[in-house]
Amino acid sequence: ETGVTQTPRHLVMGMTNKKSLKCEQHLGHNAMYWYKQSAKKPLELMFVYSLEERVENNSVPSRFSPECPNSSHLFLHLHTLQPEDSALYLCASSQRLGYGYTFGSGTRLTVV
Amino acid sequence: SQQGEEDPQALSIQEGENATMNCSYKTSINNLQWYRQNSGRGLVHLILIRSNEREKHSGRLRVTLDTSKKSSSLLITASRAADTASYFCATDVTDTGRRALTFGSGTRLQVQP
Repeated sequence: ETGVTQTPRHLVMGMTNKKSLKCEQHLGHNAMYWYKQSAKKPLELMFVYSLEERVENNSVPSRFSPECPNSSHLFLHLHTLQPEDSALYLCASSQRLGYGYTFGSGTRLTVV
Repeated sequence: SQQGEEDPQALSIQEGENATMNCSYKTSINNLQWYRQNSGRGLVHLILIRSNEREKHSGRLRVTLDTSKKSSSLLITASRAADTASYFCATDVTDTGRRALTFGSGTRLQVQP
């Protein structure tokens, strides 16, 4: 375990479902991130949350909705996804913006 | 546009040999970081080099940074089969008020026993 825990590890959902991905860290880090990793593509930053700034990413479709209730927990709410949203979703945290990241093991999402 | 690009895309070497991976980027950076990833798992942070540093070592890892050429290299010495993984460079940039890491596509390293 890296200190960043993601659940579930695997998720299969239909296009009409609503599900949530959860990320938890108890490293005392003040920034958390969601990244999407698709086959043969670089990691794509989706959302950033930190004490210094909360940044929404306007390029991410609204069917992805982040929630950060406190500095230790981060959620990614999913609804009406498309098959092309199938990917590995990675959560990461860092002590502050610009520091090294600690990643979770990811959630492998398959949209059918 | 992609900030960091690794070269080569894939590298196969024998155990005991050195492995060198290169990373080029486009814009000014705050720092550059290297990560490894084993087959679809989470990434593991290896080393961070600041924009005012030129070289950094950590165990069998050696990282160089040339800001004039906007490039970095990762050298793994005396490679082991356990070093087989994908290696990514990531640049810490401040882009339109947002600060986060931008990752390259990675180099797949295969170390043959």
